[in-house]
Amino acid sequence: GDSVTQMEGPVTLSEEAFLTINCTYTATGYPSLFWYVQYPGEGLQLLLKATKADDKGSNKGFEATYRKETTSFHLEKGSVQVSDSAVYFCALNGGYQKVTFGTGTKLQVIP
Amino acid sequence: NAGVTQTPKFQVLKTGQSMTLQCAQDMNHEYMSWYRQDPGMGLRLIHYSVGAGITDQGEVPNGYNVSRSTTEDFPLRLLSAAPSQTSVYFCASSPSEYQPQHFGDGTRLSIL
Repeated sequence: GDSVTQMEGPVTLSEEAFLTINCTYTATGYPSLFWYVQYPGEGLQLLLKATKADDKGSNKGFEATYRKETTSFHLEKGSVQVSDSAVYFCALNGGYQKVTFGTGTKLQVIP
Repeated sequence: NAGVTQTPKFQVLKTGQSMTLQCAQDMNHEYMSWYRQDPGMGLRLIHYSVGAGITDQGEVPNGYNVSRSTTEDFPLRLLSAAPSQTSVYFCASSPSEYQPQHFGDGTRLSIL
């Protein structure tokens, strides 16, 4: 079946540092890939998405590229802020909204 | 502009009790899903629906029932609560098969 593996956290960075959160996947077919963000006490919100190989999703300074050859969808941001502190989930949708999530990576940004 | 609304936000049950978690969306989305979120395990799909009258099992369906009589509502029923069902439950909806999901704020359920 489908699976998503993302780096374990927590990740602690200083403000303005570069962020990478690794995500790799296994899936049959051509899934859509997503990054969601969860702030304390809230549900998940879509951060960015990519629907086919080589697509780059971007939003709020975050970027991720759908790499079919390495089955990866790593999340990056050039300069993190304290307000980016949250839990980040990588996810794939193999169809019919049967979505598989990674375990989540907690990011803490310190001033 | 409500989006996905889940009720209640918090609930404590005793082992063996039954209850229904409510989920409603006002976006006319065809697809709806229920997940549970447990520490270190991400979100796991319990049941999902591709339209009114159509539901199917996800990864962890045991102990839960769903029905979808209208497009708007997708309730999740715990038949006989067990401590292993202590979790945070999220409902999500989407307009189509591959589009991103919209999530509710969750129901925190404790079973003693």
